[in-house]
Amino acid sequence: GEDVEQSLFLSVREGDSSVINCTYTDSSSTYLYWYKQEPGAGLQLLTYIFSNMDMKQDQRLTVLLNKKDKHLSLRIADTQTGDSAIYFCADSSGAGSYQLTFGKGTKLSVIP
Amino acid sequence: GAVVSQHPSWVICKSGTSVKIECRSLDFQATTMFWYRQFPKQSLMLMATSNEGSKATYEQGVEKDKFLINHASLTLSTLTVTSAHPEDSSFYICSASEVSGANVLTFGAGSRLTVL
Repeated sequence: GEDVEQSLFLSVREGDSSVINCTYTDSSSTYLYWYKQEPGAGLQLLTYIFSNMDMKQDQRLTVLLNKKDKHLSLRIADTQTGDSAIYFCADSSGAGSYQLTFGKGTKLSVIP
Repeated sequence: GAVVSQHPSWVICKSGTSVKIECRSLDFQATTMFWYRQFPKQSLMLMATSNEGSKATYEQGVEKDKFLINHASLTLSTLTVTSAHPEDSSFYICSASEVSGANVLTFGAGSRLTVL
């Protein structure tokens, strides 16, 4: 079946850039997403990218997609302590498909 | 933007009782809602797809008689955990789709269930 893989932990110093990586197996993925989950809370959509794009930038966030390698990354510039959270990569396949497959999440710890 | 409200945010119940969790789309209509379960330090597991006016579609391995889903209106879906047991303790999250080209889901804040 479909699978989405992420590294489980990442630790960075405040002010540095964070890069969270994700790989997926579903070649028919149409959209790929990054969600943020703070402790005890639901998921907040950070950004998404359509599969025919290579890059998307939104303020401090940069998403890079290598469709050939099925690799997605999220770069957070000037990481702040408020960015400490779990980041989930997810993919969906097909228009109208709202069923997402999630990775296990990467816990980002920001060291002051 | 779209907001999804879940209630209660946390609940403690005795083993054998039933617990109902509500998921509401506050400023949009949602013909489809999704229920997820999240175990500690794990990803979200899709439990079922809730369809307004029809039966929910359950994922493989999820007991439909255990986890009753009702989607009675375009803004409300409920998940009832029947005869709850300690192993049902978990974080339950719902999401709703507002029709858009990017298949964007809005998630509720989650409901933490603890069964004693």
